[in-house]
Amino acid sequence: QKEVEQDPGPLSVPEGAIVSLNCTYSNSAFQYFMWYRQYSRKGPELLMYTYSSGNKEDGRFTAQVDKSSKYISLFIRDSQPSDSATYLCALYNFNKFYFGSGTKLNVKP
Amino acid sequence: DTGVSQDPRHKITKRGQNVTFRCDPISEHNRLYWYRQTLGQGPEFLTYFQNEAQLEKSRLLSDRFSAERPKGSFSTLEIQRTEQGDSAMYLCASRYTGGYYNEQFFGPGTRLTVL
Repeated sequence: QKEVEQDPGPLSVPEGAIVSLNCTYSNSAFQYFMWYRQYSRKGPELLMYTYSSGNKEDGRFTAQVDKSSKYISLFIRDSQPSDSATYLCALYNFNKFYFGSGTKLNVKP
Repeated sequence: DTGVSQDPRHKITKRGQNVTFRCDPISEHNRLYWYRQTLGQGPEFLTYFQNEAQLEKSRLLSDRFSAERPKGSFSTLEIQRTEQGDSAMYLCASRYTGGYYNEQFFGPGTRLTVL
């Protein structure tokens, strides 16, 4: 069983839609949760970082962590074509980062 | 630009050849990670360094792979006797462990194609 499971998509939405991206994980010891965005043929860049359970908002992005369900989410409001990318969830524990397989998002103008 | 840099960006080689990649981390970052990413997958941990010490290697890392970080600055990843299954994007990331966030910064990656 992989440490982190993520629906690979692809996910195609019209501009302005609300996007929901999700991951599940198996190890309850994880305390740090991240979302990365990766454009084609580029390295991932950090979007959101949360510690423990709860919500964190940054502009159009909201990260949500439910440790009881081992479930993390990223919501994108008012999605834009420039949001089209692959979104990777990542968890950190014991000096290592564990990544989901990524969800490819396409926002149509 | 003071971000993480990697060289080369692309490498095409024939099966059986040796290849070496270089990563230059952000200058004050003491921790450096190497990852491998194949199409449709997230980055997969290979190894990491704390300064010049290699602290952990993935069990997936065969003995054909070796990494170094002399003097705790740049790092190299060498693959000997390349195989077609080694074709992937090799990503380097660095971070500073003295801060609050466990944020790591990625380089642009080296895309390896083994023919």
